[in-house]
Amino acid sequence: KQEVTQIPAALSVPEGENLVLNCSFTDSAIYNLQWFRQDPGKGLTSLLLIQSSQREQTSGRLNASLDKSSGRSTLYIAASQPGDSATYLCAITGNQFYFGTGTSLTVIP
Amino acid sequence: KAGVTQTPRYLIKTRGQQVTLSCSPISGHRSVSWYQQTPGQGLQFLFEYFSETQRNKGNFPGRFSGRQFSNSRSEMNVSTLELGDSALYLCASSTEDPYNEQFFGPGTRLTVL
Repeated sequence: KQEVTQIPAALSVPEGENLVLNCSFTDSAIYNLQWFRQDPGKGLTSLLLIQSSQREQTSGRLNASLDKSSGRSTLYIAASQPGDSATYLCAITGNQFYFGTGTSLTVIP
Repeated sequence: KAGVTQTPRYLIKTRGQQVTLSCSPISGHRSVSWYQQTPGQGLQFLFEYFSETQRNKGNFPGRFSGRQFSNSRSEMNVSTLELGDSALYLCASSTEDPYNEQFFGPGTRLTVL
């Protein structure tokens, strides 16, 4: 069974800092990996999708990488802003869909 | 293009009752997946429908069921509600290729008393 872990569980940074969120998975047989953000009580907003054949994807201040051999993905956020405060989730598509435990990010003005 | 919509947004039921939740995917999307989100267990996959057929299923008891209609709209049903079924239920849709990007609805908040 796929296990998806996100470290750290919570992170607090001052505005303007660059930061990295981590996602680890145990089974490298995946179709894709997707990063989401979730605001309190709301649904999920898709940030980036990386297909299994890709190594990274970029969108604005966000960059996500994928290393299937080591079972790791990272989400890099450049020049963080208070509006980036949310919970960030990674999701693996394999024989089923698996979500990580999430990282709660607070960006302090 | 309209996003994924879910109805109702909030629901309060009592133990033993049953409930039906509805999800309308993005126009043109044929895959619909359902998830349960709780503080203790996080986001867990319930099932996925594609072209009216259940293609994938998570590890939930048979009280949780779903279906998909010819217009790709989907419903999930929970029978004999338990207190532990209180959760945010999310649905997501994607295009014909089920491994493409998933787009989520706002969720239905179910409270079981």
